[in-house]
Amino acid sequence: AQSVTQLDSQVPVFEEAPVELRCNYSSSVSVYLFWYVQYPNQGLQLLLKYLSGSTLVESINGFEAEFNKSQTSFHLRKPSVHISDTAEYFCAVMSPQGGSEKLVFGKGTKLTVNP
Amino acid sequence: DAGVIQSPRHEVTEMGQEVTLRCKPISGHNSLFWYRQTMMRGLELLIYFNNNVPIDDSGMPEDRFSAKMPNASFSTLKIQPSEPRDSAVYFCASSLRGNTIYFGEGSWLTVV
Repeated sequence: AQSVTQLDSQVPVFEEAPVELRCNYSSSVSVYLFWYVQYPNQGLQLLLKYLSGSTLVESINGFEAEFNKSQTSFHLRKPSVHISDTAEYFCAVMSPQGGSEKLVFGKGTKLTVNP
Repeated sequence: DAGVIQSPRHEVTEMGQEVTLRCKPISGHNSLFWYRQTMMRGLELLIYFNNNVPIDDSGMPEDRFSAKMPNASFSTLKIQPSEPRDSAVYFCASSLRGNTIYFGEGSWLTVV
């Protein structure tokens, strides 16, 4: 069975500082990896995903994540954050073998960007 | 596209009452998911359907919970009888199999 560990439950940073949100997964088979973002009182929105190919994936708003198979990690990074990036971020894993579409989520990391 | 539509957005009910949550997936999507979000347990998959057929219901907590998908454009999650520990945000999500899963805004349930 898959599992996801998000090592930090809360990450406070100042505006324009870099940030890294850590994610490690556990799976015995190949995986797809995702980052979702949840703004207060809203649903989850896909930020970026890794399915195959290049291990570095980027979002349209400056976030990027790198799939590292040897370290079973998929950390999310942004070189310079904005106040508007304040939200909760969820890492998720899917093992598509056998046709499963089950997404397993981590517990989330609350990113707070302070002025 | 209207996105995944859930109703009600907020519900407060008394313990023992029946609760029905509704979901309209994105048109053309053939997979539908029900997730529950709580502070203690995070996001948990309750059940998912593909082409209206339940594929994995291993996350359904107990017999008090049931989910149906009578057609491609509608699904319900029912709790009967409801208990305070069922208080949570319930998310419906949909996808075109193998592609991105899109979430609704959630139904915020409080059982008192």
